[in-house]
Amino acid sequence: DGGITQSPKYLFRKEGQNVTLSCEQNLNHDAMYWYRQDPGQGLRLIYYSQIVNDFQKGDIAEGYSVSREKKESFPLTVTSAQKNPTAFYLCASSPGRRLAKNIQYFGAGTRLSVL
Amino acid sequence: QQQVKQSPQSLIVQKGGISIINCAYENTAFDYFPWYQQFPGKGPALLIAIRPDVSEKKEGRFTISFNKSAKQFSLHIMDSQPGDSATYFCAASETGTASKLTFGTGTRLQVTL
Repeated sequence: DGGITQSPKYLFRKEGQNVTLSCEQNLNHDAMYWYRQDPGQGLRLIYYSQIVNDFQKGDIAEGYSVSREKKESFPLTVTSAQKNPTAFYLCASSPGRRLAKNIQYFGAGTRLSVL
Repeated sequence: QQQVKQSPQSLIVQKGGISIINCAYENTAFDYFPWYQQFPGKGPALLIAIRPDVSEKKEGRFTISFNKSAKQFSLHIMDSQPGDSATYFCAASETGTASKLTFGTGTRLQVTL
């Protein structure tokens, strides 16, 4: 069963706490992305990675960090510096430089709330 | 700085009617324009996409119309069904930018019986 798996589906963060959202893909895609979705604002890019051990900031990277140690995995950490973390977080992947490189496939998302 | 403007924000259409969602972009370097469909609590799924070398693309009941000179593109859903009720996002990307997509703000479509 190929695809993108995000976990957990729901996550609660306490004040001052760092939390990590998991994203795993078995599509053998080179590129992976993290988006934040807020009502009425569409999807905004947090971080993206084109290859292992390399990643770049998106439009709203402040308060977030990522790693890309394996091709299949691209975890996102929401740090205590992110003062308004409540949102729906979406992970996506793309074939990258090969054919259909622009197409992005999304996971089912993680809804993060602040306690 | 919103590079892709989408309208309307919400849309109610009767079953069997035509749903039309419009998007406008500013960056003339954009060369790939997909539409995504998202159901509540789920991730977006690619619906249909177009490149600027064609003015229209049709897949089943879904059609993209593209106007390069006006920098606008639109999604038409023919014979709209209640199962089409979802949020639709237009997006755009530029070759050579790591496949980064710039999304519109979304249109919530409700198809009534």
